[in-house]
Amino acid sequence: ILNVEQSPQSLHVQEGDSTNFTCSFPSSNFYALHWYRWETAKSPEALFVMTLNGDEKKKGRISATLNTKEGYSYLYIKGSQPEDSATYLCAFNYNQGGKLIFGQGTELSVKP
Amino acid sequence: EAGVTQFPSHSVIEKGQTVTLRCDPISGHDNLYWYRRVMGKEIKFLLHFVKESKQDESGMPNNRFLAERTGGTYSTLKVQPAELEDSGVYFCASSQGVLYNEQFFGPGTRLTVL
Repeated sequence: ILNVEQSPQSLHVQEGDSTNFTCSFPSSNFYALHWYRWETAKSPEALFVMTLNGDEKKKGRISATLNTKEGYSYLYIKGSQPEDSATYLCAFNYNQGGKLIFGQGTELSVKP
Repeated sequence: EAGVTQFPSHSVIEKGQTVTLRCDPISGHDNLYWYRRVMGKEIKFLLHFVKESKQDESGMPNNRFLAERTGGTYSTLKVQPAELEDSGVYFCASSQGVLYNEQFFGPGTRLTVL
């Protein structure tokens, strides 16, 4: 059974704090790892698609790293802002098809 | 450019009734996916269309669910008859290519079966 685990489940931080989350996935049959940002009642928004071991990607204050050999990815948010409050989802591609296997997400709450 | 749209945004039905959800992908996207999130659980894959063909329907829960994509444009997902456990948020996504391609998600349809 292919399982994607995310930790922590939820996180409460103060504005200005930097934070990071973990996504763990099976290291065999790896094709791609996707990160999404999702606010309830809105469309999940793609942040990154990561494919190569050692990949590092950045978008503004958000960055992500990938280790396919040990099966994990980290998402970092530098200087969290209240508008960063959302659920952060990772999803794993294990074959050449489009099927994504999602983790349960990390719910981030940033207090002003 | 318009994103992925879904209709309706909410649907409340009685157990045993039929509901049809609609998804309009981004224009030009051959790949269309349906996913579902049941309360408190992770988002789960239902199926994948390439144009009008079902590429992968391994996630469809049972034969009460029927997905179509006639003409390779919009798609419908029909649940007949609906059961209580079908309640959840049904997402549609589309992409140009498959592997390594970003999937663009719609806002979802929240289905409640009473």
